[in-house]
Amino acid sequence: EDKVVQSPLSLVVHEGDTVTLNCSYEVTNFRSLLWYKQEKKAPTFLFMLTSSGIEKKSGRLSSILDKKELFSILNITATQTGDSAVYLCAVANSGGSNYKLTFGKGTLLTVNP
Amino acid sequence: EPEVTQTPSHQVTQMGQEVILRCVPISNHLYFYWYRQILGQKVEFLVSFYNNEISEKSEIFDDQFSVERPDGSNFTLKIRSTKLEDSAMYFCASNDDSYGYTFGSGTRLTVV
Repeated sequence: EDKVVQSPLSLVVHEGDTVTLNCSYEVTNFRSLLWYKQEKKAPTFLFMLTSSGIEKKSGRLSSILDKKELFSILNITATQTGDSAVYLCAVANSGGSNYKLTFGKGTLLTVNP
Repeated sequence: EPEVTQTPSHQVTQMGQEVILRCVPISNHLYFYWYRQILGQKVEFLVSFYNNEISEKSEIFDDQFSVERPDGSNFTLKIRSTKLEDSAMYFCASNDDSYGYTFGSGTRLTVV
């Protein structure tokens, strides 16, 4: 059974701090690892990391994938109150024509002013 | 930017009633999915759909659940006889044989 474990489960920081969110996984037929931000409703896509793209950066957010050690981290620098959300890590397996995602429980990030 | 659209945003139903949750995936996408998230819990896979048939389903997706793509644009999830434990946020998603996924904004189902 595919498994995704995120840590910490929650984190409270002050604006301007840098945070690192962790995600470890076990999956058969690994295809990709995805990070999502969930504020009120739908998860919104942040990054996808695959064998051919193990480091991604967008503004203050960056992520790396370590396929050997089976983990990924999401870094947010100079945090802002708008970064407060649940950050979800998911892995996709490629069973034929199916790209099922297995999610972790998420990390609740609270950024205080 | 293309979106996955879900309706209704919130539905309240009595236990034992049938509900249909509707989704309009992104038009050129080929793969369609339903996920659910019970309050305070992780997002869970329900079912994937490709080429007009179910390609995989989870243990949650029992005989009470069914999916359909009735007209080439809509993608529906039907729950035949709702139970209290079906109360959750249901997300539709689609992708196009690349790696990325687009989720809809969800339908909050409340079974009373």
